[in-house]
Amino acid sequence: LAKTTQPISMDSYEGQEVNITCSHNNIATNDYITWYQQFPSQGPRFIIQGYKTKVTNEVASLFIPADRKSSTLSLPRVSLSDTAVYYCLVESGNQFYFGTGTSLTVIP
Amino acid sequence: ETGVTQTPRHLVMGMTNKKSLKCEQHLGHNAMYWYKQSAKKPLELMFVYNFKEQTENNSVPSRFSPECPNSSHLFLHLHTLQPEDSALYLCASSQEGGPRSDTQYFGPGTRLTVL
Repeated sequence: LAKTTQPISMDSYEGQEVNITCSHNNIATNDYITWYQQFPSQGPRFIIQGYKTKVTNEVASLFIPADRKSSTLSLPRVSLSDTAVYYCLVESGNQFYFGTGTSLTVIP
Repeated sequence: ETGVTQTPRHLVMGMTNKKSLKCEQHLGHNAMYWYKQSAKKPLELMFVYNFKEQTENNSVPSRFSPECPNSSHLFLHLHTLQPEDSALYLCASSQEGGPRSDTQYFGPGTRLTVL
């Protein structure tokens, strides 16, 4: 099983870079890693997806080491509106393994 | 607004009631999903439909019955639920479900409370 593990919570000040790491020790060769953001009373929203090395888009970067047993979501210069729960997801075959989520609180 | 809508947003029902949750996607996707989100637990995939055919049923109790009449609509029929079934039920869609990367778009969820 491609079980995912994340820290339960993190705090950060506004303007700082935040890195959230997800462990997925049993990831398979063809599995992709996706990160989602969820605000209260809303469904998760896609942030970024990757398979290996580094992926960057307009809101985040995703770092995946060569062994792919972990991945790190990097949010540059967070703001108060980035306070949310962040989930990593490993898509393995027809199954989707979400982590328990990391609750990020951005402090003024 | 993700292009995936769910109704109702909140539902309170007794254990003997029968109710249905509705999901509609306006994205032209071919795969739709039901998830259960309980407090302090990972999202649990319940059902997957791909081109209207159910492709996954993750050992979900029979008191939950999905229906997918077309690629745009997905229902979850509920009957004789238990209090532990209280949770946020999320619907999602993607271009095409399957063993490849496929971004899912989630609806806002239905908050279900079983008394």
